[in-house]
Amino acid sequence: NAGVTQTPKFQVLKTGQSMTLQCAQDMNHEYMSWYRQDPGMGLRLIHYSVGAGITDQGEVPNGYNVSRSTTEDFPLRLLSAAPSQTSVYFCASRTHRDREKTGELFFGEGSRLTVL
Amino acid sequence: EDKVVQSPLSLVVHEGDTVTLNCSYEVTNFRSLLWYKQEKKAPTFLFMLTSSGIEKKSGRLSSILDKKELFSILNITATQTGDSAIYLCAVEAFQNQFYFGTGTSLTVIP
Repeated sequence: NAGVTQTPKFQVLKTGQSMTLQCAQDMNHEYMSWYRQDPGMGLRLIHYSVGAGITDQGEVPNGYNVSRSTTEDFPLRLLSAAPSQTSVYFCASRTHRDREKTGELFFGEGSRLTVL
Repeated sequence: EDKVVQSPLSLVVHEGDTVTLNCSYEVTNFRSLLWYKQEKKAPTFLFMLTSSGIEKKSGRLSSILDKKELFSILNITATQTGDSAIYLCAVEAFQNQFYFGTGTSLTVIP
């Protein structure tokens, strides 16, 4: 089982460029989410989805877009990168239907993004 | 404003010591509190707590939740160098929102 797979692991962008961080999970999880982790700020929720075709905003959604066309994939798009988006990004998933019993979030390995 | 506060921010102990990590929260519509361990990369799950006063235990780690006073503690007994990591506390609210604390950085010296 691969779990949660994120690509790329590292990326350097120039201000104004666009890119997509990919996230895929093979655990048939309904819930998927994106976080950014910054020093002194902890993990902050960007966007999340509870199933294909359903997305919603988290705590810090500005500057990011998401879509959920399949259960497995949840890409995060930066349309016009800014230096403030320099961060480590984590994708996480979990079961939504059985969340009362198993609330654990499974995390990907992270993607380190630098915007110059 | 929903928030999760962890203390201390960092801690240095010697092998064999016992440590207590704290997590307090102010979150509307609390569902559960989770503890994670983060070494170099992805956070890994330790515990999920939903009920007050019931201790969860796994080896040398244990955790308990107090929903009246809005806090949780994570205890690690007989610490080892492999326990060195950042420990994250997260609270899940309704509508699938998770709020994380900034973490406690634990360093265990041989």
